[in-house]
Amino acid sequence: DSGVTQTPKHLITATGQRVTLRCSPRSGDLSVYWYQQSLDQGLQFLIQYYNGEERAKGNILERFSAQQFPDLHSELNLSSLELGDSALYFCASSVEGGYGYTFGSGTRLTVV
Amino acid sequence: GDSVTQMEGPVTLSEEAFLTINCTYTATGYPSLFWYVQYPGEGLQLLLKATKADDKGSNKGFEATYRKETTSFHLEKGSVQVSDSAVYFCALMERETSGSRLTFGEGTQLTVNP
Repeated sequence: DSGVTQTPKHLITATGQRVTLRCSPRSGDLSVYWYQQSLDQGLQFLIQYYNGEERAKGNILERFSAQQFPDLHSELNLSSLELGDSALYFCASSVEGGYGYTFGSGTRLTVV
Repeated sequence: GDSVTQMEGPVTLSEEAFLTINCTYTATGYPSLFWYVQYPGEGLQLLLKATKADDKGSNKGFEATYRKETTSFHLEKGSVQVSDSAVYFCALMERETSGSRLTFGEGTQLTVNP
């Protein structure tokens, strides 16, 4: 157990739907990162939050949004889902100024 | 922008063979470099890191040396085991330009046969 918890582990949904992925960071970590892993795009950085505020944005689609709550857990919202959104979505956390992240085990999203 | 290029896979070796997975990077400043490993069905785990030129990261028999002159961070292991079968990712972090964002290479699938 890495200490970063992601739920659910698997999600199957239809095109056009909306889903929410949840991440609880490792105790003491203030930064949360979201990554998308797909076969054709590899690991793509989506967004980072630090202590409740957005810190950096990567290749995140406008249909996607995220937030970090006061208890530091984070949610990634994916809407108007398309077949191409099928991927593994990873959350990671880190201490500020630290090197390297701790990754969760991911949520596998399948859009049918 | 920053980028990481890994040797194309997949790589298949016999147990006790020598492993090299090449990694080169492009960055504007002085990045920190990492190798992560992903076992089937799991998230990524930090394998080793190096934060400045000529540093050598090592862990579990794996080693990689930060070579600024060749912008490389090749992963090596002298004798691989079946349990080393996984996907290996090279990554960089360049705080000056990208904060603490990690940029990953494409990943290299390693299969070790008994």
